[in-house]
Amino acid sequence: EIVLTQSPGTLSLSPGERATLSCRASQSVSSSYLAWYQQKPGQAPRLLIYGASSRATGIPDRFSGSGSGTDFTLTISRLEPEDFAVYYCQQYGSSLRTWTFGQGTKVEIK
Amino acid sequence: EVQLVQSGAEVKKPGESLRISCKGSGYSFTSYWISWVRQMPGKGLEWMGRIDPSDSYTNYSPSFQGHVTISADKSISTAYLQWSSLKASDTAMYYCATLMVTGYYYYMDVWGKGTTVTVSS
Repeated sequence: EIVLTQSPGTLSLSPGERATLSCRASQSVSSSYLAWYQQKPGQAPRLLIYGASSRATGIPDRFSGSGSGTDFTLTISRLEPEDFAVYYCQQYGSSLRTWTFGQGTKVEIK
Repeated sequence: EVQLVQSGAEVKKPGESLRISCKGSGYSFTSYWISWVRQMPGKGLEWMGRIDPSDSYTNYSPSFQGHVTISADKSISTAYLQWSSLKASDTAMYYCATLMVTGYYYYMDVWGKGTTVTVSS
């Protein structure tokens, strides 16, 4: 089973700063199977990025995804107050036909 | 608008059975698979399993296989997650989500608001 490791665990930044979140897979993952989600306290997760780099409907263009193979990145170009949340990467494993989440990165206000 | 409406919070005792539900609206229920995701208090997201409502085919995470059962009734556009004997460790928030499976992309698109399950003696 593929394991996703997200880093850092917590990112302390100020509004307006750039956030760079990492998601590393224990073995190569197809880019089309990699997604990112945002979760705010008390809310359900929300899809941000699918296929490693495609923004979901209604997601602002300050969110971007990149990467391939075992290393993927979610970038928030300029943090807005509403962006402080926990972010999860997720992959689909075609061999076992299962989905796996990373442990999450919390983006907090510095 | 595609929506998933989940059943209300549950408080149960260890050993009791439980079934929670997830009703789809705004789309053809058999068009998308439904996934269930667990989130224990203060913890991250864990994929539990999924069902194809068109034929009720399921597959589960190895971590949850044998511990829960996922089912669906396409006549009422509803998916279910059930336990036969709850444990205190089942205390968590449970989310359902539509699974986009296009043959190229695989991701969870629309999410329900979640059902809180509390198991305590």
